[in-house]
Amino acid sequence: AQKITQTQPGMFVQEKEAVTLDCTYDTSDPSYGLFWYKQPSSGEMIFLIYQGSYDQQNATEGRYSLNFQKARKSANLVISASQLGDSAMYFCAMREAPTGRRALTFGSGTRLQVQP
Amino acid sequence: GAVVSQHPSWVICKSGTSVKIECRSLDFQATTMFWYRQFPKQSLMLMATSNEGSKATYEQGVEKDKFLINHASLTLSTLTVTSAHPEDSSFYICSARVPLAGANEQFFGPGTRLTVL
Repeated sequence: AQKITQTQPGMFVQEKEAVTLDCTYDTSDPSYGLFWYKQPSSGEMIFLIYQGSYDQQNATEGRYSLNFQKARKSANLVISASQLGDSAMYFCAMREAPTGRRALTFGSGTRLQVQP
Repeated sequence: GAVVSQHPSWVICKSGTSVKIECRSLDFQATTMFWYRQFPKQSLMLMATSNEGSKATYEQGVEKDKFLINHASLTLSTLTVTSAHPEDSSFYICSARVPLAGANEQFFGPGTRLTVL
């Protein structure tokens, strides 16, 4: 069974508009962490934002915010005021143990294209 | 911040040869490193967890005799693809865990693109 599901293989957004990238997850572990990474064409993985399962508030990092709905097991990424440089692949990932010993499980990714 | 390097950044080799990829933590010690593989237009898939001073833990379906991992020091893990074949062509990315770094404990290297002819 898929642990991380990203249902949008590709998304288009106009420059300066906001966009939401969907992510749902599946785990029976009460303690887990959710991540979003950006991967430009160069291949590097750029950390964007993190949400812990016990965090009461949605995480925010500059133009990035995470819409965390625990009961629905969703962790959508919201990018506000899109920029041309935001065009890239975006991956949602989960870590199921708080100690970090276990690696990240990634979703299939969403390719975002920002149009001028 | 924590920096992880990989070498080489890209490599082309002939079928049947072996290729070694290095993953280094430049400004911290990493007891745990992870190796991922990413095929074109696909996601990152964990291959193995590399622990300093002990044997690597491989994910199901990953041949440990083909993908040799050595984590001989706290700053270096190596992945050797033995007897490479064209189907091994992929993007290989390592990450290193920084203990007590907070929520984002894993830092990724820039990746190595392997092409086997």
